[in-house]
Amino acid sequence: QVDLQESGPGLVKPSETLSLTCSVSGASIKSESHSWGWIRQSPGKGLEWIATFHHSGDTYYVPSLKSRVTISVDTSRNEISLRLTSVTASDTAVYFCARQLFLGPINWFDPWGQGTFVTVSS
Amino acid sequence: SYVLTQPPSVSVAPGKTATIACGGNNIESLSVHWYQQRPGQAPVLVIHSDSDRHSGIPERFSGSNSGSTATLTINRVEAGDEADYYCQVWDSSSDLGVFGGGTKLTVL
Repeated sequence: QVDLQESGPGLVKPSETLSLTCSVSGASIKSESHSWGWIRQSPGKGLEWIATFHHSGDTYYVPSLKSRVTISVDTSRNEISLRLTSVTASDTAVYFCARQLFLGPINWFDPWGQGTFVTVSS
Repeated sequence: SYVLTQPPSVSVAPGKTATIACGGNNIESLSVHWYQQRPGQAPVLVIHSDSDRHSGIPERFSGSNSGSTATLTINRVEAGDEADYYCQVWDSSSDLGVFGGGTKLTVL
């Protein structure tokens, strides 16, 4: 069974950098059959895809955050990380990581981690 | 960028059929996936590749995709189906993930 567990600071000050980690168990993030993604959900709002780390090493980002976000992996720890710089209150959200089946246009997220809530406030 | 449009809410009586639409330009050319999110929980994949039920999902759930609309259908709706439902595609022309705005299913 594949399990994903996000962890993060909970509270970040405006203009600072948010760093999140997703620990994966039951699967290797080095596998060439899957990629890894981050999705967020602002309070009371819908899901927003943020970034994907393809198993080839390519990365993909939502245009609205591309200048501030970085996704990376640590294969030694079997972890995926997300870094978001210069945060504002609008970055307050639950952040989910998910395994991503990436077969060109056929591309879905399963399973998902439970999510970690991040508040941006001074 | 590609946009997916869902109705904000759908209401249905127990035992009846719920249909949740997901509209997009020529969406039939894309592979559509559906997620169920119960309050306070992470989303769960229910349908992938337009119409394939994910492992463990009841046969009451089905999907279709034609023209400009993909549809999630839930037959014999139960109280436990009450949740938010999201459609999702990968826009391979721009290599971007896209979610619909979500539909809140209320079981009356």
